[in-house]
Amino acid sequence: QQQVKQSPQSLIVQKGGISIINCAYENTAFDYFPWYQQFPGKGPALLIAIRPDVSEKKEGRFTISFNKSAKQFSLHIMDSQPGDSATYFCAASSPLVRGFGNEKLTFGTGTRLTIIP
Amino acid sequence: DAGITQSPRHKVTETGTPVTLRCHQTENHRYMYWYRQDPGHGLRLIHYSYGVKDTDKGEVSDGYSVSRSKTEDFLLTLESATSSQTSVYFCAIRSGEETQYFGPGTRLLVL
Repeated sequence: QQQVKQSPQSLIVQKGGISIINCAYENTAFDYFPWYQQFPGKGPALLIAIRPDVSEKKEGRFTISFNKSAKQFSLHIMDSQPGDSATYFCAASSPLVRGFGNEKLTFGTGTRLTIIP
Repeated sequence: DAGITQSPRHKVTETGTPVTLRCHQTENHRYMYWYRQDPGHGLRLIHYSYGVKDTDKGEVSDGYSVSRSKTEDFLLTLESATSSQTSVYFCAIRSGEETQYFGPGTRLLVL
């Protein structure tokens, strides 16, 4: 059962354009939503993260938009550059009953983003 | 890179052989994780550890075991490797309340 659905699988955007990747979740207990960026041959790297108490978070050219009622969140990359070409993963986590905190991340299936000149 | 190393970085093995992957961290983090990454599946949690000798299963734990005898090392063992375990394996640590940082990965091919 996939708890975080990510779309699209692949995305091609022209340099300078806006890249938008969407994720939807089912588990209303999720309370932390990070995005990871992965280059070929490397491990995923944390890009930006948000909690559901805010609707938007911006860091440089990267913005997360969050819609709690729709259980959706998205990554927007403004002024997309060839160096942004990578695979992007959304993820979500929730506290566990055991009470240790947000131990486990559930990942989306990834979006391969290609920025063309 | 959050001080995470994985070894080996690449391995080719035959079906039925045991394989152990090592994750080493230098920053004394309590939580460590093993994921596998496969096309179309993203990253899936295999096992995780919340302290020395404290481990728990993730969503795809069948066929895998782990051990953590000291804080800095988290070992993933495939007792009898199968072709379905061909994958890229990532170790991660948790820093702070939620943020996970990943190692460089181990590419495993089971023939």
